[in-house]
Amino acid sequence: GAVVSQHPSRVICKSGTSVKIECRSLDFQATTMFWYRQFPKQSLMLMATSNEGSKATYEQGVEKDKFLINHASLTLSTLTVTSAHPEDSSFYICSATGQLTSGANVLTFGAGSRLTVL
Amino acid sequence: AQRVTQPEKLLSVFKGAPVELKCNYSYSGSPELFWYVQYSRQRLQLLLRHISRESIKGFTADLNKGETSFHLKKPFAQEEDSAMYYCALFYRQLTFGSGTQLTVLP
Repeated sequence: GAVVSQHPSRVICKSGTSVKIECRSLDFQATTMFWYRQFPKQSLMLMATSNEGSKATYEQGVEKDKFLINHASLTLSTLTVTSAHPEDSSFYICSATGQLTSGANVLTFGAGSRLTVL
Repeated sequence: AQRVTQPEKLLSVFKGAPVELKCNYSYSGSPELFWYVQYSRQRLQLLLRHISRESIKGFTADLNKGETSFHLKKPFAQEEDSAMYYCALFYRQLTFGSGTQLTVLP
């Protein structure tokens, strides 16, 4: 149980285009989803926290107009990188927290999405 | 502000040798601490959490509030333990250390 699917795993796009990354909780309802960014050889940096049905809370220094986060349902959150530039190239990871039918709380990570902006 | 420090970026040990991955944290309250592991080409996954006081794959970690440490230990390292290990602290959000790449040599 507690599986998070993240898609696409890899995406290459041209500078100036927008890219959408999906994060789905497959077998539990994710009350909160987190989006992280990981630069090469660095740690995971939290970008934003999103609760279903409400606006995401962005960390300091993260441009909310550039990184649009939508959490429209309890099983899906999307991150859209708008007008992507080469410096946005990175590894993006989502995680979701919620409760299984057993009552156990879980925090699970997606496999990540490698974005390369040419 | 909460902070997690993993002083070693790289750590190599021989198979069968003991291994310790260091983690220090700074947080004024009572922290909830975790170790996550990322094997090559796999997703980040939870290895253990301090409140469970469990041993996963032979790894243990003890929270030392006096030294503000949560070091990860295993008495006999195996080659399949080679991975990236992240220490993390949770209070409203998960804060990660910079990670330690463990390589277990044959």
